[in-house]
Amino acid sequence: DGGITQSPKYLFRKEGQNVTLSCEQNLNHDAMYWYRQDPGQGLRLIYYSQIVNDFQKGDIAEGYSVSREKKESFPLTVTSAQKNPTAFYLCASSIDYYEPGQTTYEQYFGPGTRLTVT
Amino acid sequence: GENVEQHPSTLSVQEGDSAVIKCTYSDSASNYFPWYKQELGKRPQLIIDIRSNVGEKKDQRIAVTLNKTAKHFSLHITETQPEDSAVYFCAASKRSKSTFGDGTTLTVKP
Repeated sequence: DGGITQSPKYLFRKEGQNVTLSCEQNLNHDAMYWYRQDPGQGLRLIYYSQIVNDFQKGDIAEGYSVSREKKESFPLTVTSAQKNPTAFYLCASSIDYYEPGQTTYEQYFGPGTRLTVT
Repeated sequence: GENVEQHPSTLSVQEGDSAVIKCTYSDSASNYFPWYKQELGKRPQLIIDIRSNVGEKKDQRIAVTLNKTAKHFSLHITETQPEDSAVYFCAASKRSKSTFGDGTTLTVKP
């Protein structure tokens, strides 16, 4: 299960506080992702980054921010503007190999951080 | 953007029976279709994938089929075992961005 790590496993915050979730990978992957997982709703993309110093909004970026200063790290900040932040957050990375007949965008997931905001 | 629908949301089978999960997608440019298995409290892990230039792929008890014209793909698990019980996610991917289905909770009864 090594290669991509997230910390902490559980995080508790008071409403109105910003909180930063850590994601680190040593797989030498270019692309990294943040997903939010709510019961019965699958994985929803928050932000993704295909290269250092560049990132794009996903489907539910409002209230979140990211940075990609190093290839290995892609921290996610949940701001006080996020209306419903309590959720399970998954970070992932992928190698993004594109070759006709051999394309793969397989994503390797971290163990997740369960954030509870009260 | 891409939209992926996955059915059924829950599936219960007897041990030894087959299970089929179906997904449809909307973006014809998607070219990579992975399936992930997530056991309770664990991270999703890839179990099988298929590329847009292939119609079917099999790996032991697991197979995936793709119909590009109809924009749907399916996961087939044969001879199910209790350890197959988990949540299964399909995804449609294009240029490293993946859109996931909402998941299917499979329960295999001994």
